[in-house]
Amino acid sequence: RKEVEQDPGPFNVPEGATVAFNCTYSNSASQSFFWYRQDCRKEPKLLMSVYSSGNEDGRFTAQLNRASQYISLLIRDSKLSDSATYLCVVYSSASKIIFGSGTRLSIRP
Amino acid sequence: SAVISQKPSRDICQRGTSLTIQCQVDSQVTMMFWYRQQPGQSLTLIATANQGSEATYESGFVIDKFPISRPNLTFSTLTVSNMSPEDSSIYLCSGSDTTGELFFGEGSRLTVL
Repeated sequence: RKEVEQDPGPFNVPEGATVAFNCTYSNSASQSFFWYRQDCRKEPKLLMSVYSSGNEDGRFTAQLNRASQYISLLIRDSKLSDSATYLCVVYSSASKIIFGSGTRLSIRP
Repeated sequence: SAVISQKPSRDICQRGTSLTIQCQVDSQVTMMFWYRQQPGQSLTLIATANQGSEATYESGFVIDKFPISRPNLTFSTLTVSNMSPEDSSIYLCSGSDTTGELFFGEGSRLTVL
């Protein structure tokens, strides 16, 4: 079993829809969690951190469920510009950073 | 936030040659890493670049093939040695700051013929 697993997608949803995807992790001692966004042929960039209490940034909401060992990302009122690959990143320790395989999201007009 | 400059951005190399990729950060970062990303795939960590000492390699990656230097807190190099077509990939360096956020260079797209 991979240490971090994501549904690879692709998710193909209409503009304005709400879409959510999860990322599971196997190490219960994992410390920090992030969502990164990677556009085609570009480097990954931080989208948002994921806190135990959950956090929201505009149309984006990230949540952590430690009991079930997953993090989630919810995108409301999706825009064409949201089309990208979303990578979950888990810090198993301060120096061990694991990337999920990424979830491809495509927003159609 | 840190800005990472990486070069070359792309190169086409002959089998058996070596290429060194450079990564310069505009501010001090606590950790620096080298990743490889195959087309359509996620990032695979090659190694953690340690300042002034040997890098820490992940399973499947060895120093003879991917020697790494990090002479100071803001600069690191990765060499891909004795290249074969299987080494064709995008190589990314990254640094993390005290918040844990990772910053990436723009990547070096390597094609080995």
